[in-house]
Amino acid sequence: GNSVTQMEGPVTLSEEAFLTINCTYTATGYPSLFWYVQYPGEGLQLLLKATKADDKGSNKGFEATYRKETTSFHLEKGSVQVSDSAVYFCALNPGMRGGYNKLIFGAGTRLAVHP
Amino acid sequence: GAGVSQSPSNKVTEKGKDVELRCDPISGHTALYWYRQSLGQGLEFLIYFQGNSAPDKSGLPSDRFSAERTGGSVSTLTIQRTQQEDSAVYLCASSPGTPGLTQETQYFGPGTRLLVL
Repeated sequence: GNSVTQMEGPVTLSEEAFLTINCTYTATGYPSLFWYVQYPGEGLQLLLKATKADDKGSNKGFEATYRKETTSFHLEKGSVQVSDSAVYFCALNPGMRGGYNKLIFGAGTRLAVHP
Repeated sequence: GAGVSQSPSNKVTEKGKDVELRCDPISGHTALYWYRQSLGQGLEFLIYFQGNSAPDKSGLPSDRFSAERTGGSVSTLTIQRTQQEDSAVYLCASSPGTPGLTQETQYFGPGTRLLVL
């Protein structure tokens, strides 16, 4: 089957700290991988994505590399800001070769960054 | 341009009543998706439309849930005889629906927060 597992939160960091949020997946076919972010009181926004193995997605200082050998897509940022406080969701889309066209989400990880 | 819009933004209803939730996708997007976000279940896929047809309804939790899409644009999610466990945020998303290209980026609306008393 298809599933996503991400580290439980909340993750609490001081400003300028290094961030890693772990995400691993199981999938049939050749999935695309995504990180979505939900800021307080706002809707889901795409943060970054990768469509094939070894691709690196990046946006706003965040990065994640699609690792097929470890079935992982960990989110990293070198120096977090207070404005990064949000809930982060890892997701996969199995695609039609995997029999589907839909997003399967992890449980979400809440990040709180303090000044 | 305009993003995905949903209405109403909030809905409070009594147990046993029917509700209709509306989604307006991004103009020109032929693929449309409904998801549900609840405390207990996280973010769950409900249904996927390509044009007016729904090739994947596998996430609809019961036969009380149905959805339709007309004119390849607006979609309505209907919940009949609502139950308290239906309380959640219902999210709609759309993507271009480029033929032969699945796994496109999905763009989400702000959601409808449903509370069943």
